Amino acid sequence: QSALTQPASVSGSPGQSITISCTGTSSDVGSYNLVSWYQQHPGKAPKLMIYEGSKRPSGVSNRFSGSKSGNTASLTISGLQAEDEADYYCCSYAAGSTLVFGGGTKLTVL
Amino acid sequence: QVQLQESGPGLVKPSETLSLTCTVSGGSITNSYWGWIRQPPGKGLEWIGYIYYTGSTNYNPSLKSRVAISVDTSKNQFSLKLSSVTAADTAVYYCARGEGYSYFDYWGQGTLVTVSS
Repeated sequence: QSALTQPASVSGSPGQSITISCTGTSSDVGSYNLVSWYQQHPGKAPKLMIYEGSKRPSGVSNRFSGSKSGNTASLTISGLQAEDEADYYCCSYAAGSTLVFGGGTKLTVL
Repeated sequence: QVQLQESGPGLVKPSETLSLTCTVSGGSITNSYWGWIRQPPGKGLEWIGYIYYTGSTNYNPSLKSRVAISVDTSKNQFSLKLSSVTAADTAVYYCARGEGYSYFDYWGQGTLVTVSS
């Protein structure tokens, strides 16, 4: 069970849109629409932003959206704001009833 | 509002067993999955395993031989035991509520466990 692949860092200016990719295999991302995304600010616990591929929990801004194509899931943040600067992690359900996280992506708002 | 709180020793000696408990408040431990996730200092998240309130478990294959998660519904608590620890097990350990078998919607604040003699 290998970690999902995410870019180490992405950046964007306020108001812009960015996309973070999360690449897995046919044993995880590719076979199930069960990818979740978490936002983590320094020293804080992760916060659920997207679940089951594209669903947003109550209270999460509609600037956050999720999608999937093949073995790659994506998180898009539109209208970037300073408070979006954080680490982002994807997580997928995988064969064998297990879960696997991505390595994490540091988002910098310029 | 569901709240989770981890508790346990912050320092464990190499080769010993790490033991943590997560206390759930603001809701019942029944009818949900409950998980443990860890994060080594400066690194990413790693799923350790989860337990259903009935006691059914699933573990990360890379840790399976050393991990045991249990639940005590009478105390609204679930626990983690990780045996034969090494310095590589030093991490912030989070407990969380699992939903839909695939995501965690409520998290504890995390507790740092250091493995050192």
